[in-house]
Amino acid sequence: KQEVTQIPAALSVPEGENLVLNCSFTDSAIYNLQWFRQDPGKGLTSLLLIQSSQREQTSGRLNASLDKSSGRSTLYIAASQPGDSATYLCAVKTNTDKLIFGTGTRLQVFP
Amino acid sequence: NAGVTQTPKFRILKIGQSMTLQCAQDMNHNYMYWYRQDPGMGLKLIYYSVGAGITDKGEVPNGYNVSRSTTEDFPLRLELAAPSQTSVYFCASSYPGTSAGELFFGEGSRLTVL
Repeated sequence: KQEVTQIPAALSVPEGENLVLNCSFTDSAIYNLQWFRQDPGKGLTSLLLIQSSQREQTSGRLNASLDKSSGRSTLYIAASQPGDSATYLCAVKTNTDKLIFGTGTRLQVFP
Repeated sequence: NAGVTQTPKFRILKIGQSMTLQCAQDMNHNYMYWYRQDPGMGLKLIYYSVGAGITDKGEVPNGYNVSRSTTEDFPLRLELAAPSQTSVYFCASSYPGTSAGELFFGEGSRLTVL
């Protein structure tokens, strides 16, 4: 059974810091891994999607890496801003087409 | 395109009542999913579908039923509502049957069972 864990559960940092959010999964047989952002009371917005054959994806100040063999992905946020404050979730797509989510990291960036 | 549309946005039910949460997408996505999110928690998969006429259980299917008679619609039915089903429900869809499946979400349906 695939299990997805995110560490840390919460993070509070001053503006301008570079951040690393972690996502671990127990079964390396995945099709892809996706990172999402969720603002309070809202739905989820896709940030980055990494295929199983890829090692990383970048979008603006965001960079996500994937190491399937060790069951890990990291989301790197450069030069954090207060507008980055949100909950960040990772999800893995299994070989049975299920999408399993982690519990999320709640990020607060203060001015 | 409207994307993924969920209705209703809010609903209060009494214990034992039944209701259906509606989900529709206009992107011709084969894959559709229902999740529930409890306060401070991640998303748990209830049911999913890889195409019209095909559904399968996720992590927490008990107390729910789904159907997929068309590509566009994926309703979630709650039978005999219980307080444990108080949650926010999200519907999602993704691109047809490839491993590239970026996931698109609806805005959520907040359900309270009293």
